[in-house]
Amino acid sequence: GAGVSQTPSNKVTEKGKYVELRCDPISGHTALYWYRQSLGQGPEFLIYFQGTGAADDSGLPNDRFFAVRPEGSVSTLKIQRTERGDSAVYLCASSSSGSGWETQYFGPGTRLLVL
Amino acid sequence: AQSVAQPEDQVNVAEGNPLTVKCTYSVSGNPYLFWYVQYPNRGLQFLLKYITGDNLVKGSYGFEAEFNKSQTSFHLKKPSALVSDSALYFCAVRDSWGKFQFGAGTQVVVTP
Repeated sequence: GAGVSQTPSNKVTEKGKYVELRCDPISGHTALYWYRQSLGQGPEFLIYFQGTGAADDSGLPNDRFFAVRPEGSVSTLKIQRTERGDSAVYLCASSSSGSGWETQYFGPGTRLLVL
Repeated sequence: AQSVAQPEDQVNVAEGNPLTVKCTYSVSGNPYLFWYVQYPNRGLQFLLKYITGDNLVKGSYGFEAEFNKSQTSFHLKKPSALVSDSALYFCAVRDSWGKFQFGAGTQVVVTP
């Protein structure tokens, strides 16, 4: 079956601009996670959704970052007034509520470059 | 707060030799432990997990990991490494509320 997909695969923007990154989880997966991965580092937790609600958003670095999942499926990570330090690969992962609920499956990521 | 440590930035091994990638963790409550692998320009791929039960867990591509509660470790192992195993390996711990913490990663280099 289809895995987690993320669009766009690459995004180049200018400092101060607004960007949206999209994640399509595996069909039927109720949990959805966003991570940020900088070069040479492990994924850094940003936010975790269970259904439509954010169960834990403690990893969002500041109020320029926001994420939504209005229908409990697709999620959008929104970054306002982008800064060069936001440049990273943004990863999305999903997991099911049934068997294997504890395992995340990752998308390929969106590589964001802020000039 | 939970944490994961991968003490080695890089592990070098000759093809055919055993491979070990170290991981230690800290978490409140029972640990849910994972190993993921990342190939260049690709997303993370699930290798194996420990939730409960046998301390030796077998996963994909011939990898296994041993959960050691007293040492709070979850080292990844493979009896005979392949050149194609060269990649970046991440250990992760999940807490009871669903939040994951990843280690910084260990680059594995397998030479022919």
